[in-house]
Amino acid sequence: LAKTTQPISMDSYEGQEVNITCSHNNIATNDYITWYQQFPSQGPRFIIQGYKTKVTNEVASLFIPADRKSSTLSLPRVSLSDTAVYYCLVFSSGSARQLTFGSGTQLTVLP
Amino acid sequence: DGGITQSPKYLFRKEGQNVTLSCEQNLNHDAMYWYRQDPGQGLRLIYYSQIVNDFQKGDIAEGYSVSREKKESFPLTVTSAQKNPTAFYLCASSIAAAPYEQYFGPGTRLTVT
Repeated sequence: LAKTTQPISMDSYEGQEVNITCSHNNIATNDYITWYQQFPSQGPRFIIQGYKTKVTNEVASLFIPADRKSSTLSLPRVSLSDTAVYYCLVFSSGSARQLTFGSGTQLTVLP
Repeated sequence: DGGITQSPKYLFRKEGQNVTLSCEQNLNHDAMYWYRQDPGQGLRLIYYSQIVNDFQKGDIAEGYSVSREKKESFPLTVTSAQKNPTAFYLCASSIAAAPYEQYFGPGTRLTVT
């Protein structure tokens, strides 16, 4: 399973765009990139997933360069309620079919 | 109101006792999962099941057991063989075709003393 590396923590201010980058150097051809959000004492919540280029939904965008060795989760105009831990995961569609969570990035949005 | 329920939210047990954590879903999902989370850490997969009457070990299955007799239910037993059982336990489910998009329950915080 591909290992992911992301910053331990980030601070931002309300209304700003936040970009969280994740490194996954040994990603395989049949792997997908997935992001989850977790609030304290709650289960994680799926945000977005992608394979290459750009994916956008109602809450975030995911940018994946051509070599797929990294990805960037973009949160537009964050609010205080976006303060949470964000996990970057590489999902294998092959035989493993597991999600492996790292330690995530603690995003703190300041007023 | 569809979703995943886990009960109880908090559970206290004495060392040496087995304890079973409940997980029920009414999302009609084929796949279900159990994770453990320790303070400041990510989630680690204990067991998962892709179909009724079948389940596979995850990364940290030792000291745990599961059953999947019904599609809706996937109970986890923490046995006395689990050396450090105190943790936050999370159950999740997904459709078989999209295991990357898992829906999580509220979790059970188990404390063993």
